[in-house]
Amino acid sequence: QQQVKQSPQSLIVQKGGISIINCAYENTAFDYFPWYQQFPGKGPALLIAIRPDVSEKKEGRFTISFNKSAKQFSLHIMDSQPGDSATYFCAASIGGAGSYQLTFGKGTKLSVIP
Amino acid sequence: DTGVSQNPRHKITKRGQNVTFRCDPISEHNRLYWYRQTLGQGPEFLTYFQNEAQLEKSRLLSDRFSAERPKGSFSTLEIQRTEQGDSAMYLCASSSQGVYTFGSGTRLTVV
Repeated sequence: QQQVKQSPQSLIVQKGGISIINCAYENTAFDYFPWYQQFPGKGPALLIAIRPDVSEKKEGRFTISFNKSAKQFSLHIMDSQPGDSATYFCAASIGGAGSYQLTFGKGTKLSVIP
Repeated sequence: DTGVSQNPRHKITKRGQNVTFRCDPISEHNRLYWYRQTLGQGPEFLTYFQNEAQLEKSRLLSDRFSAERPKGSFSTLEIQRTEQGDSAMYLCASSSQGVYTFGSGTRLTVV
């Protein structure tokens, strides 16, 4: 049973455009939702995270939108740049940021073309 | 470099052989995690340590897998009698204040 479903599997965006990646979760006990960025040959790196008591969080060009009733959250990358080309993973955990177990989506491979 | 260090970066082994990976976490982090990532998938939780105590193991961690963190510092993950299905990237992470830092992983290929 996949607890966090991520879409799309791959995404091609023109430089300067908006990249949008969506995730849906099933377990209502999840209370911490981070996004990770992974470049080839590297481990995932934390990009931005949100808790369910907040509907939106913005850090620079990256924004998480969170819809608790729909059990969905999304990552928006504004003014996408070729350097943003990477695989993005949404994740969820129980117990807040101190949880020991992250449940990841399958990832979205983003390609930003000049 | 004060990040999470994993060695080796790549390991090719014959089916049936034993392999051991090492992870050196960020020194002040008391939590250490092992995850496995196969091609086209997100990382999957295997196990975690709080200091030297192994507090949780996933059902993905079969009896052929064993992890240790003897002095609450570095950790090792051993796979005995490797199978082709063990081929994956093995990621180590450590955390402080809930923020994970992943290493670059050890890519295992079982031939």
